[in-house]
Amino acid sequence: SQKIEQNSEALNIQEGKTATLTCNYTNYSPAYLQWYRQDPGRGPVFLLLIRENEKEKRKERLKVTFDTTLKQSLFHITASQPADSATYLCACETGRRALTFGSGTRLQVQP
Amino acid sequence: KAGVTQTPRYLIKTRGQQVTLSCSPISGHRSVSWYQQTPGQGLQFLFEYFSETQRNKGNFPGRFSGRQFSNSRSEMNVSTLELGDSALYLCASSLSRGTQETQYFGPGTRLLVL
Repeated sequence: SQKIEQNSEALNIQEGKTATLTCNYTNYSPAYLQWYRQDPGRGPVFLLLIRENEKEKRKERLKVTFDTTLKQSLFHITASQPADSATYLCACETGRRALTFGSGTRLQVQP
Repeated sequence: KAGVTQTPRYLIKTRGQQVTLSCSPISGHRSVSWYQQTPGQGLQFLFEYFSETQRNKGNFPGRFSGRQFSNSRSEMNVSTLELGDSALYLCASSLSRGTQETQYFGPGTRLLVL
């Protein structure tokens, strides 16, 4: 079955730098991947969706790539700010028309 | 537009009891999905309702059930609670059934089973 893998170790970066988070899938290429942000004690908030036939998608300081050869999606936050500190989750549909989420990567942006 | 609301926000129960959680989707949204989030397993899909019908179900025991009402509000019930049921229960709503639709999550109900 499809598994979504994210680096469970926290990512610590300095303010102003670019944060890059990785999402790997293990099996077939999903039709799309979604990225969410989750703050402590809150529900995830949708950020971006990238389809299989899209190499890259941007939204303000966010950029997502989808590499079907590497079975990987990269999520970039440019000019990162302390307010970007949160856990970032990637997800894709894996049968049953339900989303399967990765375990998330916690990002900490130091001022 | 008001967001997805969930009640109660916090709940403490003891083993063997049952619990009912409520979710009110965004106005106009007809699809409601439920997820369980724990530190060890992450976010796991429980079930999805659309127009009062359960369309999809995750790999959870029959103690977990749900329903959706004609106004799209949804409830989930967990019977015979176990310690391992302690988790954050999240519901998400979307306009239609497709998961490509943006999922709008509520704040969750944190359940602690003692």
